[in-house]
Amino acid sequence: DTAVSQTPKYLVTQMGNDKSIKCEQNLGHDTMYWYKQDSKKFLKIMFSYNNKELIINETVPNRFSPKSPDKAHLNLHINSLELGDSAVYFCASSIGGAGRPQHFGDGTRLSIL
Amino acid sequence: GEDVEQSLFLSVREGDSSVINCTYTDSSSTYLYWYKQEPGAGLQLLTYIFSNMDMKQDQRLTVLLNKKDKHLSLRIADTQTGDSAIYFCAEKGGGGADGLTFGKGTHLIIQP
Repeated sequence: DTAVSQTPKYLVTQMGNDKSIKCEQNLGHDTMYWYKQDSKKFLKIMFSYNNKELIINETVPNRFSPKSPDKAHLNLHINSLELGDSAVYFCASSIGGAGRPQHFGDGTRLSIL
Repeated sequence: GEDVEQSLFLSVREGDSSVINCTYTDSSSTYLYWYKQEPGAGLQLLTYIFSNMDMKQDQRLTVLLNKKDKHLSLRIADTQTGDSAIYFCAEKGGGGADGLTFGKGTHLIIQP
């Protein structure tokens, strides 16, 4: 009965590879998000997406691309992984978009070798 | 752009009250949030307050909002060892993505 679930929990891979992180929510929310938490625990929004609009934080490299097969899923695909991509990535969801409380997944810890 | 500031550390004795403070710059914030993150875990929504309120209480948690000074605080009564975590203040950001702007988190340390 997990509300927002991410897979995998841990991901270790080599520089230059392409990888995906999956996110699913069963809350019936219509907006989903991806955040990056760096080694100093600083959290920053990467994307928000509902069935109408994708909003991208301008600081996110275009190697990162969100893909949403349906309202309950927002996967994160990363091309040509770099050392600086090592972080914990959190998926979140909310209803109604701006201002509504967001519920977070447990995070995916990505380590680049 | 929007900015949210918090102290990095707070140390309290078990049983005392903890008060975690936060300041923000975006005067158009509609909601302000407190999240808790335990080691190795995700973010747990603790509570949130709408900007037309000045106080919200939920069991041991009390949130105070001073909109004029753009100051938010979280008070935890009777602090327990299980309260040891990082507490993040957040507000709705108006930047390039429709997400939350987080502070850097306050590490709450409980002394026995």
